[in-house]
Amino acid sequence: KAGVTQTPRYLIKTRGQQVTLSCSPISGHRSVSWYQQTPGQGLQFLFEYFSETQRNKGNFPGRFSGRQFSNSRSEMNVSTLELGDSALYLCASSSSGTTSGANVLTFGAGSRLTVL
Amino acid sequence: QQPVQSPQAVILREGEDAVINCSSSKALYSVHWYRQKHGEAPVFLMILLKGGEQKGHEKISASFNEKKQQSSLYLTASQLSYSGTYFCGTGRLSGNTPLVFGKGTRLSVIA
Repeated sequence: KAGVTQTPRYLIKTRGQQVTLSCSPISGHRSVSWYQQTPGQGLQFLFEYFSETQRNKGNFPGRFSGRQFSNSRSEMNVSTLELGDSALYLCASSSSGTTSGANVLTFGAGSRLTVL
Repeated sequence: QQPVQSPQAVILREGEDAVINCSSSKALYSVHWYRQKHGEAPVFLMILLKGGEQKGHEKISASFNEKKQQSSLYLTASQLSYSGTYFCGTGRLSGNTPLVFGKGTRLSVIA
C-alpha cells in the first residue's frame, strides 16, 4: 500500500514569489491535513480538508491556502513568500470521516521550502 | 494550547533507558506519539485514549495520566535505531479540533 506522497521534496524560492505543494494521500483516505515544521516550533497545524471541504484552519495568515480535489489529492499554496516561510511542510492523511482525537495520521516525508 | 514536552533533548548510550514527558493545560481525550528520523516522515508509534490501557510495543511503552493531562513515553534498553525526534500530539474527543503537537524531543542513542 503506497504511503503519503508529497511533491516536490525540495524547492528554493525568493521572497515575493508563490509556491504550490502537492500531496497524494493513502488510497482510500479522504482527510488530508497540512502542518508546518520549523526548528524549535514543532508541527504547527495549517488546515485540514475532507471531501473537498476545508474542515479546520490553523492560525496562519491568508497567504496560506489549500484545496482538495475529488480524488482526495490536496495542494497548498503560499503567496508572497517571506523568509519566515522557510520550513518543512508536512501532509498527513487519515481514513476517518470526522475530526477527533482518535484519528491516526499517516505523514508524508514533506516538502522542504527555502525562501531566499 | 501546544503541549509541552520535556526534555528538549537527551543523549543515551545503547542499553540505557529514557522517559519523555508530554503535558497539556487542556482536558485531553488522546495522546499520540510519533517518531521522526532525519529527513523522513514522522511515524506513528502509539495512541493512548482516555480511559484506555497503557500501550506498548517491543521496548517502547507509554502511559496517560488523565487527571494531570500528562503522558510519558518509556524507552527501555535503547537501541541505535531509537534515535530521532519524538513528538506527542494531543487530541480532543469532539469539537472538530485537529491534533496539536509539541515541539519535540530529540533523542540520540550512541554506541
